[in-house]
Amino acid sequence: QSALTQPASLSGSPGQSITISCTGTSSDVGAYNLVSWYQHRPGEAPKLMIYEGSKRPLGVSSRFSGSRSGNTASLTVSGLQADDEADYYCCSYAGSSTVLFGGGTKLTVL
Amino acid sequence: EVQVVESGGGLILPGGSLRLSCEASLFNVNRNYMIWVRQAPGKGLERVSVTNLGGVTYYGDSVKGRFTVSRDNSKNTMYLQMDGLRVEDTAVYYCARVYARSYSPLWYMDAWGKGTTVTVSS
Repeated sequence: QSALTQPASLSGSPGQSITISCTGTSSDVGAYNLVSWYQHRPGEAPKLMIYEGSKRPLGVSSRFSGSRSGNTASLTVSGLQADDEADYYCCSYAGSSTVLFGGGTKLTVL
Repeated sequence: EVQVVESGGGLILPGGSLRLSCEASLFNVNRNYMIWVRQAPGKGLERVSVTNLGGVTYYGDSVKGRFTVSRDNSKNTMYLQMDGLRVEDTAVYYCARVYARSYSPLWYMDAWGKGTTVTVSS
């Protein structure tokens, strides 16, 4: 099983919107609506931002939204803020008690 | 707030062994699915292992046969015993809880630690 495919880096200006894609296969992203997204800053614990494809945990800003179409999941961050600068990882259930992570996307707020 | 704290990392020679600990607060490790995840320098996250409610552990191909997960219910702690360490095992190791509803995992991690660093080098 290969890692899910994410763009290595993205950037945007404050106030803009960006979308991070996460491409898998019909055996993982396409098979289960069990994609989650994590925000990770160096030295910190990863933080859950989206689960079950599009649900937001309590306390996560509504500026973060998730979706899925076929074998590709997406995380959209609207109204970019400086504090959004971090690495973002997608994760999908892949059957047989296995999860796959994406390679991570470094988001830079210009 | 539920949380986990990892410990036990360090510098170890290739071929050596190390045991990492993951202590949980406000939930029981033996009543939850738990996962170990690692991040090698400059790389993304990689699943190391997943342990289910029955204590059965599924390992990633890169660590199968070398790493072993165990739990100590009295200490509410999960362990990752790492034997036959290789340079490529160098990483920050995280443990996390896999959220479950009615004991069925929903395969997202809602409680992560800050990680513990393992460096395998001669």
